[in-house]
Amino acid sequence: DSGVTQTPKHLITATGQRVTLRCSPRSGDLSVYWYQQSLDQGLQFLIQYYNGEERAKGNILERFSAQQFPDLHSELNLSSLELGDSALYFCASTESGFTYNEQFFGPGTRLTVL
Amino acid sequence: GEDVEQSLFLSVREGDSSVINCTYTDSSSTYLYWYKQEPGAGLQLLTYIFSNMDMKQDQRLTVLLNKKDKHLSLRIADTQTGDSAIYFCAERGNNAGNMLTFGGGTRLMVKP
Repeated sequence: DSGVTQTPKHLITATGQRVTLRCSPRSGDLSVYWYQQSLDQGLQFLIQYYNGEERAKGNILERFSAQQFPDLHSELNLSSLELGDSALYFCASTESGFTYNEQFFGPGTRLTVL
Repeated sequence: GEDVEQSLFLSVREGDSSVINCTYTDSSSTYLYWYKQEPGAGLQLLTYIFSNMDMKQDQRLTVLLNKKDKHLSLRIADTQTGDSAIYFCAERGNNAGNMLTFGGGTRLMVKP
């Protein structure tokens, strides 16, 4: 158990819908990262937040957005969902946004878009 | 941009050594990582190596880094059936934050 929690574990929805994925980092970790794992694209970095502020952006679509709240949990919002958005979404956390410490990964949320 | 490549599949017999290879393109990579993903689970960090090192050993795991060729390998000695999983190589470049670039993963199958 990494100490990072993600909810829900599974999510099934229809095209055009909007969903919110939630992540709680390890206690004391200030930085949260979101990754998408799909069969065709592999594991891709989406976005990073550090202490409430966006720190780095990867291959995140404009239909997707994220935020980190004062209690440090983070939410990834996916809107106008398409079939191709079906994937496993991971959240990871580190203590700081600048150190080279290990990123601790949550168990992921499996999103299925029908 | 950065690119990390791995072979898709490796099959070994229990008790043999496994060697999983990875190549990367970012010459500014500072840390290189090996993660393990078991079915239905998240990623678990196995080991990492700093870019100024050639080798790192951690129990049954040996990481070799050839910085000139940008080649990283993970050797698992005495491979067990419990080692069956997908192994991801990842690199951290000299970028803002701690963004990792992952390879596509190598599925290791260990036959009894």
